[in-house]
Amino acid sequence: GQSLEQPSEVTAVEGAIVQINCTYQTSGFYGLSWYQQHDGGAPTFLSYNALDGLEETGRFSSFLSRSDSYGYLLLQELQMKDSASYFCAVDAGNMLTFGGGTRLMVKP
Amino acid sequence: DAEITQSPRHKITETGRQVTLACHQTWNHNNMFWYRQDLGHGLRLIHYSYGVQDTNKGEVSDGYSVSRSNTEDLPLTLESAASSQTSVYFCASSDGAGGSEQYFGPGTRLTVT
Repeated sequence: GQSLEQPSEVTAVEGAIVQINCTYQTSGFYGLSWYQQHDGGAPTFLSYNALDGLEETGRFSSFLSRSDSYGYLLLQELQMKDSASYFCAVDAGNMLTFGGGTRLMVKP
Repeated sequence: DAEITQSPRHKITETGRQVTLACHQTWNHNNMFWYRQDLGHGLRLIHYSYGVQDTNKGEVSDGYSVSRSNTEDLPLTLESAASSQTSVYFCASSDGAGGSEQYFGPGTRLTVT
């Protein structure tokens, strides 16, 4: 099976940089995805890492180390609208297993 | 524009009743998924389908069933609703392997009294 760990809550100031970590244990691994979910909304896709290294998409970057079973999501130039929950998810083939989510609160 | 819709958006039902939640996508995706989301548990996979006539059990499938008679629809049935099935249910679809972006519907909030 799969298990994922990520912090339950992170608080940061507008304009700052925040890193959300995700460690995983899995019997099958193809890659790590990240999703964002605002309160009352549906999850939306942010990024996917299949290979080690950093993937950058605008203010958001995602990193993967397969040897360490570890990844993180980096959010730069935080904005109030980034307040949301962020989920890492292990790709085990044609399905995803999600972590419990990290609630990010951005303060002015 | 392509989309994925769920109905109803809110449902209150009684223990023991059969309930069906609808999911319809116009992306023409082969893969469809049902998740439930409870506080502190993130999203947990209930059932998934890789195409017409294909269905598979996920992590928390007990008490739920699905059928896939066409590409667009994957209805989720609760055979005999239980209070433990009170949750928010999300349907999603994707066109490729697990890492492919999954497009989520708006969710159905189900309350079992």
